[in-house]
Formats: sequence, structure tokens, C-alpha cells
Amino acid sequence: GAVVSQHPSWVICKSGTSVKIECRSLDFQATTMFWYRQFPKQSLMLMATSNEGSKATYEQGVEKDKFLINHASLTLSTLTVTSAHPEDSSFYICSARSRVGETQYFGPGTRLLVL
Amino acid sequence: GNSVTQMEGPVTLSEEAFLTINCTYTATGYPSLFWYVQYPGEGLQLLLKATKADDKGSNKGFEATYRKETTSFHLEKGSVQVSDSAVYFCALSDRSNTNAGKSTFGDGTTLTVKP
Repeated sequence: GAVVSQHPSWVICKSGTSVKIECRSLDFQATTMFWYRQFPKQSLMLMATSNEGSKATYEQGVEKDKFLINHASLTLSTLTVTSAHPEDSSFYICSARSRVGETQYFGPGTRLLVL
Repeated sequence: GNSVTQMEGPVTLSEEAFLTINCTYTATGYPSLFWYVQYPGEGLQLLLKATKADDKGSNKGFEATYRKETTSFHLEKGSVQVSDSAVYFCALSDRSNTNAGKSTFGDGTTLTVKP
């Protein structure tokens, strides 16, 4: 199957700093990437949908100025958590898809801990 | 809107027992259906999928059949192993462009297999 990578896998930062998470599709071109957040023992919560070359579409309740998403190429999307606070600590997962209706392939996730 | 309802967990089975995890869905269109598996501390891995009615997805001994008449996609395995212990997510992907092909996930079912 297709491979999606995320970097970093773990990040610990101080409150107030910004953290960038990368999501890459390694062996296919991803026209769409999705960013999810997962709390312990819960399902995935979709944060935003990112289409290459256009602005991301955020789900209701997700602050676009807080979670900056850039999808500059067909193989890379980035999520920047700006001015991170302890409540932003979570497991962030991206997925990538080549086109509508095709399978989403998930990255391994990034665990963020804000102190 | 679209929704996925999964059998509540946790599910605990002995090795070699038969597994069924129920999944039903509601969708406005004609979705693709998926089962994903998540091992502790990792992202989601695609387990199997089906894209049209009566299709059977299968992988690693797991099976699920797309039943349009009952809007179901139950996951089954004839003989589980300890290594199958994980969280299983049922999901649908809306193939209509108006919804950007977003996926909707169930809440996940935790399976523990004891030796």
C-alpha cells in the first residue's frame, strides 16, 4: 500500500512556542491531505481538509489562526500549531488521498506535549 | 449527514475465538467503506475496504461485506490471535465532490485477545 510519513513522531515544547508537523506522501501524489486530532481512547476528530495549491478547509470549531495548514506540493502538507498551550497536547494524525473516493492512507501520527 | 455506528467495546476474546465487530452507517450518497486498525501509539492502518454493494473486503483473515440493504459492514475473523489486539475503526468515505470526499469514522472498538 501507499506510504505516508509524519515528522516528528514526538515533540515536547514549552507553552507559547510554535510547532510544525510535516506530512509526506512517499510514493504517490496526494491531491488532498487531512489533519486529525485524537484524544486518548477516542476516535479521530477531523480538523481540516487540505487541497494542494489552495487554502485549507477547517471544520467547525477549529481555529484556523491557531492551526496553520499549508499544502504547497502534491507530496507535502504541514500543520503548524501556533503559540501552543498545554490543552493543545494531543496525538495529531495526517492522511493523504490521491483523489475523491480513493483510500486515505494514514501517517504514523505525531504526539505533541506542551509543557 | 453521514454517520458510522460501531459496536461498543471493549471486546475481550480468547485466542482462536470467532470475532464479529458490528458496523452500520448512514450516508446521503453511495460511500466506500473501510476498516482501519490502530495499534498502541501508532497511526491507522488500512485493514480492508469495499467500494460497492456486495463487495467483500478481506485481509489477514479478516473479512467484511458491504451490505447496502442493511447499511452494514460488519468485521469478522474466524480465529483471532493475541497479535490482533488493537483498536478497530469502521469508516466511510463520501465519494461526492460536494463533501470533498471526507471520511466519517466510528468511535472505535478495542479488541483484547488473551492467550
